[in-house]
Amino acid sequence: NAGVTQTPKFQVLKTGQSMTLQCAQDMNHEYMSWYRQDPGMGLRLIHYSVGAGITDQGEVPNGYNVSRSTTEDFPLRLLSAAPSQTSVYFCASRVRDSNGYTFGSGTRLTVV
Amino acid sequence: ILNVEQSPQSLHVQEGDSTNFTCSFPSSNFYALHWYRWETAKSPEALFVMTLNGDEKKKGRISATLNTKEGYSYLYIKGSQPEDSATYLCASPPLSSGSARQLTFGSGTQLTVLP
Repeated sequence: NAGVTQTPKFQVLKTGQSMTLQCAQDMNHEYMSWYRQDPGMGLRLIHYSVGAGITDQGEVPNGYNVSRSTTEDFPLRLLSAAPSQTSVYFCASRVRDSNGYTFGSGTRLTVV
Repeated sequence: ILNVEQSPQSLHVQEGDSTNFTCSFPSSNFYALHWYRWETAKSPEALFVMTLNGDEKKKGRISATLNTKEGYSYLYIKGSQPEDSATYLCASPPLSSGSARQLTFGSGTQLTVLP
């Protein structure tokens, strides 16, 4: 099992550009989430999904879109990148309510 | 308590010391409390998921307890080693969620174990 795979690991974007952060898991986990990590702010939930076709907003969803067409994949789209979206992004998945998350290795995004 | 709060923010201990830190969370509509260990330059790794009041979980020298009625959990490390140096995160569903589907993380306790 590869676990949770995130690509790319690093990305630099110009303000206004769009891009998709990829996340895939091969553990047949139902739940998937995207978090961003900023200094002094811990992990903040952007969007989450409890199964294919079902997504919902977290604490900081503005500027991001997600979709979940398959159990395995949960891409995060930045619609028009802003410097405030400079962060480290983590994708995580888990089986169900009472299980812990498996995290991907993160994507470090810089918006200039 | 409306959000997940952790204390202290950071902690330095000597090798061999035992230590503990606290996670406070909303006690109403409790679903689950998670603990994670996050080493520098790595990803968070799940330690425990606790769901029942009075739960105690153990993994090697690390253990955790849960009090859902008063909304706190303690993480204990016995005989700290330098390799225990990491940030320890706890997480719980937010008060507004009504389910365990989403998790809100505390800002963590950064532990440094000095040799």
